[in-house]
Amino acid sequence: SQQGEEDPQALSIQEGENATMNCSYKTSINNLQWYRQNSGRGLVHLILIRSNEREKHSGRLRVTLDTSKKSSSLLITASRAADTASYFCATDLNTGGFKTIFGAGTRLFVKA
Amino acid sequence: EPEVTQTPSHQVTQMGQEVILRCVPISNHLYFYWYRQILGQKVEFLVSFYNNEISEKSEIFDDQFSVERPDGSNFTLKIRSTKLEDSAMYFCASSGGRGEFFGPGTRLTVL
Repeated sequence: SQQGEEDPQALSIQEGENATMNCSYKTSINNLQWYRQNSGRGLVHLILIRSNEREKHSGRLRVTLDTSKKSSSLLITASRAADTASYFCATDLNTGGFKTIFGAGTRLFVKA
Repeated sequence: EPEVTQTPSHQVTQMGQEVILRCVPISNHLYFYWYRQILGQKVEFLVSFYNNEISEKSEIFDDQFSVERPDGSNFTLKIRSTKLEDSAMYFCASSGGRGEFFGPGTRLTVL
């Protein structure tokens, strides 16, 4: 697998349902971030979770990080049609410098 | 709320021409980044910049690319001799240590 690989690649759910997206990575990280991107638009920062943290919440978003499994998950609860977007995880590599690698993303479609 | 800004929003250029993409990071941020996203593909790291020098760069960031922070507010990406395959969205990001915040991007079209 590549650094910062999300699954599923695409997810279609009904409004009100929860959406879970997963991210796996290969090398040691300083932190992991989740972003949202609407089609053809910029990247919106959702949450940053540091390597010594296990869980963070922000509104309807819940992010977990398991460094032993090198994986993270993003849970969106009570999804809305406006949550339709691509979601990316981005890992800040522990290289001594500053290098962030994005995954290919999960395309979420929430049906009204 | 402070945000990263980028200009221009769209740049069209001829192959072989030089382009300069401009970014104004969030004012108290110290870490700066450029990324690109070819249409339909994932976001690719180009370069990071800290303390007035390049911190990391990817294989994409070859001798055709350079970055500069000419004053206290701007952060620029220069492509010396553009190729067709440089056509992409270019995103600038800045960080104060609590996550990277992205600008809206510059769409570069090389003809």
